[in-house]
Amino acid sequence: QSALTQPASVSGSPGQSITISCTGTSSDVGNYKFVSWYQHHPGRAPRLMIYEGTLRPSGVSYRFSGSKSGNTASLTISGLQAEDEADYYCSSYAPGSPFDVIFGGGTKLTVL
Amino acid sequence: QVRLVQSGAEVKKPGSSVKVSCKASGGTFSRYLITWVRQAPGEGLEWMGGIISIYGTPTYAQKFQGRVTITTDESTDTAYLELRRLTSADTAVYYCAREVAFGEYAFDLWGQGTMVTVSS
Repeated sequence: QSALTQPASVSGSPGQSITISCTGTSSDVGNYKFVSWYQHHPGRAPRLMIYEGTLRPSGVSYRFSGSKSGNTASLTISGLQAEDEADYYCSSYAPGSPFDVIFGGGTKLTVL
Repeated sequence: QVRLVQSGAEVKKPGSSVKVSCKASGGTFSRYLITWVRQAPGEGLEWMGGIISIYGTPTYAQKFQGRVTITTDESTDTAYLELRRLTSADTAVYYCAREVAFGEYAFDLWGQGTMVTVSS
């Protein structure tokens, strides 16, 4: 299985909104609701921000939202804050065997 | 509150093996999918495989088939990742993670990471 496709970088100013795309295929993103998004600051463990495409775990700000259309999932961050600067990874259930999960290549978000 | 606590950093020679542990402190993970994910320097996250302890049968990413073994010890709520025939390309931070809920394939509880360095 190939990694999901994400833009290498995105940027935005504080207060703005940005969207990160995650493109897969009909064998993963397009066929299953199990798309997740992770925030990863260097030197720390990844943090789950969105699961099942649109759900936010407890403690995650409402500024983070997820959506999906066809083979592409998206993460939108509204009201950008300096602390949002991090790497963001999408992942999808991708059954080649039980529990198969694939990640995107990651997107570096810079808050200008 | 459950935490996942991983074993410490390792330095290994090429061709050797490494075994990393991940202990659930303050709870259990027997009914959750436990997965292992790694990040090589300058690279992204890479899924290696997972296991649900009560089922016992692990699954592995094709890339690591034949070289990796994931196990759990329910008596101590500890998961293990063993990687054999190490090369410099295996130099990475290795994370264990627990599923947010059964069948979600999303991971909300992560270990602190274990740095494995492969160098002659």
